[in-house]
This record gives sequence, C-alpha cells and structure tokens, in this order.
Amino acid sequence: GAVVSQHPSWVICKSGTSVKIECRSLDFQATTMFWYRQFPKQSLMLMATSNEGSKATYEQGVEKDKFLINHASLTLSTLTVTSAHPEDSSFYICSARSGTSGRLSYEQYFGPGTRLTVT
Amino acid sequence: GQNIDQPTEMTATEGAIVQINCTYQTSGFNGLFWYQQHAGEAPTFLSYNVLDGLEEKGRFSSFLSRSKGYSYLLLKELQMKDSASYLCAPLDSNYQLIWGAGTKLIIKP
Repeated sequence: GAVVSQHPSWVICKSGTSVKIECRSLDFQATTMFWYRQFPKQSLMLMATSNEGSKATYEQGVEKDKFLINHASLTLSTLTVTSAHPEDSSFYICSARSGTSGRLSYEQYFGPGTRLTVT
Repeated sequence: GQNIDQPTEMTATEGAIVQINCTYQTSGFNGLFWYQQHAGEAPTFLSYNVLDGLEEKGRFSSFLSRSKGYSYLLLKELQMKDSASYLCAPLDSNYQLIWGAGTKLIIKP
C-alpha cells in the first residue's frame, strides 16, 4: 500500500513555457503533500507543503508565483513551473502523508520523481 | 537552528557491515526516519525510531538516543545494490521532516 505516482517521469521544455507535474496518492487519502527539488549530488530541498483545499505554504526563497501548487483533492496535487528557465532544470519529487494516527501519519511516501530539463 | 550531521561519503566491502551515524539538532522531536535514495530515484522508507533503542529489520537496523541527538543505521551483509545515499530525517515539533545532505555509501566487491 501507500503508493504515490508522478507524471510525467521526465519532460523537456523550451525556456519561457510552463510545465505541469501531477502527483497522485493511489491507495490512500493524502491530507498533506510536499514538493521537493533536488539538484545533482545535493540534498532534498523542500519547496512547499500543501494541505487539501487550502493554499500551499512555500519555503523561504521559493517563488509562489513561479511554482504554482494546487491540491484540489485528497489524492491529487499539481506543481506548475511557469515561464521555465534553464536554471529550473532539476529533479522534482512529491511526497504525501495520510495524516491519520500513528507513525503512518508522519511518514512521507514519495513519488518516483520528475526530471525537468529546460532548454 | 535545525541541523543534521552525517558523513558525506562512506566506502565498504560487499558482505561486510557498515554503520552510518547521524547527529541532529531540531526544534522539538517526534521521531526520526531513515530513507534510502538510489541515484536518480526518489527516497524509499527504511526505518522509523521514536523511542530510544535499536530497531532491527532484516539486514538493516536503526538506533536512536534522544538525549544525545544521535542515531545510526547499521547495514549487515552488504550487497552491491546497497550502494545508495542514506538520508537521516528527524521530525521536528511541527511534524516536518528535516533533511540532511545524506551519506553516499559505495560498496566495493
């Protein structure tokens, strides 16, 4: 159980265009979803936390107008990179947690990640 | 502030045992996770400790000392597929995972 999918797994786009990445919890309801970015050989960087039905909370230094997050349902969150630039090229990973009781409340289940390349 | 300290890289031999240490300082503490991350892939769950002591799960064990702000991950009977980064991630008072840079483990035949 506790499977999270991400789509697409990789995408190449031109500078100035927008890209949408979907994150779905397949067999549980995710009250909270997280979006991370990871550059090569660096640690995971939390970009934002989103709770279903409310606005995302962005980490310091992350532009909320550039990285649009929508958590419209308990199983789906989307990240849209608007007006992408080559420096946005990175590995984007989502995770989800159920928010019920016990350890499973806090464990984050990760999607497989999306590799974005902006040319 | 919040801080995670792990060795950047470790090397071990196939079939041997390796211990990856982690010290942490967080605002509040609600347990600690260990994740494994292969290159180019997302992290996968290995263990969770909330009480002091050793939790054993097959070839992998994880230890926690809350008073010392210290944890370790012990990997036995190392296999080549264990070559990966190992991430120590404590939960702070807001139940947010705090991520360190991880330890890259290289297994040699």
